[in-house]
Amino acid sequence: DAGVIQSPRHEVTEMGQEVTLRCKPISGHDYLFWYRQTMMRGLELLIYFNNNVPIDDSGMPEDRFSAKMPNASFSTLKIQPSEPRDSAVYFCASSWGQAMGYEQYFGPGTRLTVT
Amino acid sequence: KNEVEQSPQNLTAQEGEFITINCSYSVGISALHWLQQHPGGGIVSLFMLSSGKKKHGRLIATINIQEKHSSLHITASHPRDSAVYICAVPNSGGGADGLTFGKGTHLIIQP
Repeated sequence: DAGVIQSPRHEVTEMGQEVTLRCKPISGHDYLFWYRQTMMRGLELLIYFNNNVPIDDSGMPEDRFSAKMPNASFSTLKIQPSEPRDSAVYFCASSWGQAMGYEQYFGPGTRLTVT
Repeated sequence: KNEVEQSPQNLTAQEGEFITINCSYSVGISALHWLQQHPGGGIVSLFMLSSGKKKHGRLIATINIQEKHSSLHITASHPRDSAVYICAVPNSGGGADGLTFGKGTHLIIQP
């Protein structure tokens, strides 16, 4: 398996623009997580899905952030409008809750820079 | 929500030394994760453990559920072990849950 795939790997955009980050989880995994990493706050959970349904979005910073999982093989994290403080590395991770005991597999991350 | 404390924050050691990184958490959990983040930024899961001890090569992870404490040990450390090591626990203690992360331990192994 190719592992968790994220795109783009790097994104530079101007303040106010819409940004869409994409994630393809490992086939067969039923949990998908979006995390954000900054120097100040470290790694933080934004939202996670189980069987394509959002379970906990309490970490989503504000209404400018939204996430969807239209099917088992694809998820998006959208920021609209983007702000410089959104600059961070965004990681997607997936896991197979039952058999794998919830071990999480991380994608390579998307480094977002908002100018 | 679980709180996670890691120590030390930074650690520099000589090649061959025995390394210990500690992690404490506030809420009882079903399993604890140890992750490694390479200088390039990628995150790899090293261990997930719910009791006792696990070993993988030169890495050993232990957990004491009663004391809410875990340690990660590296034997015969090598410069390629230089990375950030992160402890993580489920937010609410359960299994299939988002993770709360420690701040990480930045390890440098000098040749």
